[in-house]
Amino acid sequence: DAKTTQPPSMDCAEGRAANLPCNHSTISGNEYVYWYRQIHSQGPQYIIHGLKNNETNEMASLIITEDRKSSTLILPHATLRDTAVYYCIITGTASKLTFGTGTRLQVTL
Amino acid sequence: GAVVSQHPSWVICKSGTSVKIECRSLDFQATTMFWYRQFPKQSLMLMATSNEGSKATYEQGVEKDKFLINHASLTLSTLTVTSAHPEDSSFYICSASGGGGVGNSPLHFGNGTRLTVT
Repeated sequence: DAKTTQPPSMDCAEGRAANLPCNHSTISGNEYVYWYRQIHSQGPQYIIHGLKNNETNEMASLIITEDRKSSTLILPHATLRDTAVYYCIITGTASKLTFGTGTRLQVTL
Repeated sequence: GAVVSQHPSWVICKSGTSVKIECRSLDFQATTMFWYRQFPKQSLMLMATSNEGSKATYEQGVEKDKFLINHASLTLSTLTVTSAHPEDSSFYICSASGGGGVGNSPLHFGNGTRLTVT
């Protein structure tokens, strides 16, 4: 699976959009971009995933660049409950999930 | 949505004893389950992959005789930490897939089990 690079930490004011970047320059054509988050002392929570097209669900939006070498997870209106570690993971069809170090997002008042 | 239940949520045991952790898929059949371990301030590390009805596949460096995995049904996998030692104290998390690996099907995770060995 392709490796990812994420900033170790980010801050965001409550009510503002949180934009979390992820670089995955070695992604191959059949690999998906997945985002999970882990709130302290809980299991990871699935957020969203995509292959080529941008995706949106009730939690977030995923923007994937045309060359697929990077992506951005957008939380449109961050709340304090969105404080967590966010993991960007690249995986193929028959693979397990390999977690990197993620981005620690701190949402502040 | 798919729900994965893990039990117990926390356990304290004495050194040398064994502890069993259960992972259940509540509303889908999990042909594959994954077991992870997470030490404080670190990321999740995959320990093993278990397929229903067959032997688990362990990641390099994980002792299969110490961490026994049983996946006897499509809704239940268990991880038994045998002869536990204080260094086995960790957060153990399972995840489940309905089939075909990950790909276009998100894995769903349990809420983890915090094991403390005294």
